Amino acid sequence: ETGVTQTPRHLVMGMTNKKSLKCEQHLGHNAMYWYKQSAKKPLELMFVYSLEERVENNSVPSRFSPECPNSSHLFLHLHTLQPEDSALYLCASSQVVGGGEQYFGPGTRLTVT
Amino acid sequence: AQSVTQPDIHITVSEGASLELRCNYSYGATPYLFWYVQSPGQGLQLLLKYFSGDTLVQGIKGFEAEFKRSQSSFNLRKPSVHWSDAAEYFCAVGAIRTNFGNEKLTFGTGTRLTIIP
Repeated sequence: ETGVTQTPRHLVMGMTNKKSLKCEQHLGHNAMYWYKQSAKKPLELMFVYSLEERVENNSVPSRFSPECPNSSHLFLHLHTLQPEDSALYLCASSQVVGGGEQYFGPGTRLTVT
Repeated sequence: AQSVTQPDIHITVSEGASLELRCNYSYGATPYLFWYVQSPGQGLQLLLKYFSGDTLVQGIKGFEAEFKRSQSSFNLRKPSVHWSDAAEYFCAVGAIRTNFGNEKLTFGTGTRLTIIP
């Protein structure tokens, strides 16, 4: 397995459910990111982790809870979501935290019903 | 704060024709610049990047981009498009990290490319 992988690829959940998105990078990178991509909106950076430590949180609602147990894995725990949270959630990694290139996973298409 | 503008939301090009996608950025120092491509239902794939040096950079899939500091632009070009190039293209700008805190890439809103036979 190479690059950045994400599971599941598709997720449908009700507003009262709890689910988690998983991201794994096989590139030996030290930084990982969560982005939200909604139709007709720019890519929104949600969270940034460097060596398992959160370094940026762009005012994301508390119903989104990230977890980074090690530099290769990143989770996004979801609970009591709203329909407007339906989007493509992308994970990315980079060698170090900074403005250098990031490598993206295929994303999880989330639908909140 | 850094920003990126992609003025064209949607471009249609005939297969075999040349392509240029526009990108203008705003940043107070020397930026890192990137072009990414996204096929439907997929993540973003890095096409090319500019950090320093030669202002004409070559990327994958036959794409190139030219950094023009005087125009704050980083336009993407391809001499002859193929039907498989149909996708969404994103320009991004990042800061050369001068201190802990310049973490993010800022993305444009994207340009959707349609290829007609």
